[in-house]
Amino acid sequence: DSGVTQTPKHLITATGQRVTLRCSPRSGDLSVYWYQQSLDQGLQFLIQYYNGEERAKGNILERFSAQQFPDLHSELNLSSLELGDSALYFCASSVDPENQPQHFGDGTRLSIL
Amino acid sequence: AQKVTQAQTEISVVEKEDVTLDCVYETRDTTYYLFWYKQPPSGELVFLIRRNSFDEQNEISGRYSWNFQKSTSSFNFTITASQVVDSAVYFCALRGRGSSNTGKLIFGQGTTLQVKP
Repeated sequence: DSGVTQTPKHLITATGQRVTLRCSPRSGDLSVYWYQQSLDQGLQFLIQYYNGEERAKGNILERFSAQQFPDLHSELNLSSLELGDSALYFCASSVDPENQPQHFGDGTRLSIL
Repeated sequence: AQKVTQAQTEISVVEKEDVTLDCVYETRDTTYYLFWYKQPPSGELVFLIRRNSFDEQNEISGRYSWNFQKSTSSFNFTITASQVVDSAVYFCALRGRGSSNTGKLIFGQGTTLQVKP
């Protein structure tokens, strides 16, 4: 158990819909990261937050947005969903934004029908 | 640009064999970190090791060992006396220290290891 909690574990929805994925980091971790794992793109970094502020941005679509709340949990919002958004979405956390390893949650598997 | 290459897509071995997973990386950063993660069939990503660019000592942890060679930009992972429970996808990852990519992990495509009984 990494200590990173992601909900829900599975999500099935339709094209055009909007979903919210939730992540609670390990106790004491200030930095949260979101990654997308798909068959064609592999594991891709989406976005990073540190202590509530956006720290780094990767290949995140404009239809996607994220935030980190004062209690340090984070949400990833995906809107106008397309079939290609079907993937495993991971949240990871670390103590600081640079030096410490990232520990990953179990992921949320998103299926778009 | 930063890149991680895991040339071996799939490896199949018989239990008790030793197996080495290759990882080659590219970065212009002088300070960087390398990682290995394991993704078992259940899907979670499990952290195995972190190595910074200034530490070229090899590391051993039980049946696992890592060989970091800066001269060849490689960070290979060896499992000694493999077991069925080692069957998983293994990812090598790179994190630079440049301000533009702080925190971002660049992953290789992964190597699927199948250990047969």
